[in-house]
Amino acid sequence: GAGVSQSPSNKVTEKGKDVELRCDPISGHTALYWYRQSLGQGLEFLIYFQGNSAPDKSGLPSDRFSAERTGGSVSTLTIQRTQQEDSAVYLCASSFPGALETQYFGPGTRLLVL
Amino acid sequence: SQQGEEDPQALSIQEGENATMNCSYKTSINNLQWYRQNSGRGLVHLILIRSNEREKHSGRLRVTLDTSKKSSSLLITASRAADTASYFCATANYGGATNKLIFGTGTLLAVQP
Repeated sequence: GAGVSQSPSNKVTEKGKDVELRCDPISGHTALYWYRQSLGQGLEFLIYFQGNSAPDKSGLPSDRFSAERTGGSVSTLTIQRTQQEDSAVYLCASSFPGALETQYFGPGTRLLVL
Repeated sequence: SQQGEEDPQALSIQEGENATMNCSYKTSINNLQWYRQNSGRGLVHLILIRSNEREKHSGRLRVTLDTSKKSSSLLITASRAADTASYFCATANYGGATNKLIFGTGTLLAVQP
């Protein structure tokens, strides 16, 4: 596609429920990143996928968070047993091999945990 | 955790004026990038400056980098109402295997028509 797409745009859930957030990177981009933007913490790195290498999960805040990338393209970020502090905008970005410096961001998913 | 701070936190100017935002960071970097965010959603890449560069221009944007002071500035000249947005600096350090960006706290710019 023309850019990085994310779905859903907005998600409201109840505390304790699981949620899945989806990211479709730009075609041909082998690197994919998840970030979170919240009022208290600003923009934080969560996880990074590059090709077939093991992902860098160092930014995941707890074991309730996980992500996978199937077929080197679409990625899903899963949050289990959501808490109110998980409320944030979750941003996905991708970059092109050979030009890993510039990351292209999707519009984000705004998650609200009640 | 965030790499550093940006100042000012908020800036209000009139159309046609210049806007200057500053960013400080803490560790060594390969490059520093500036992004714009409208309405709290997706980030738009504006400009990248590498650690061996001191100044870079792109249209109405001018970025400087001082690695000795671990600081950068973004200048927007002849501002327009459409420049109203949040601006973030982000640093990249490729010392590890990850090309993750570490973001600053952001500056909220309001350009009054």
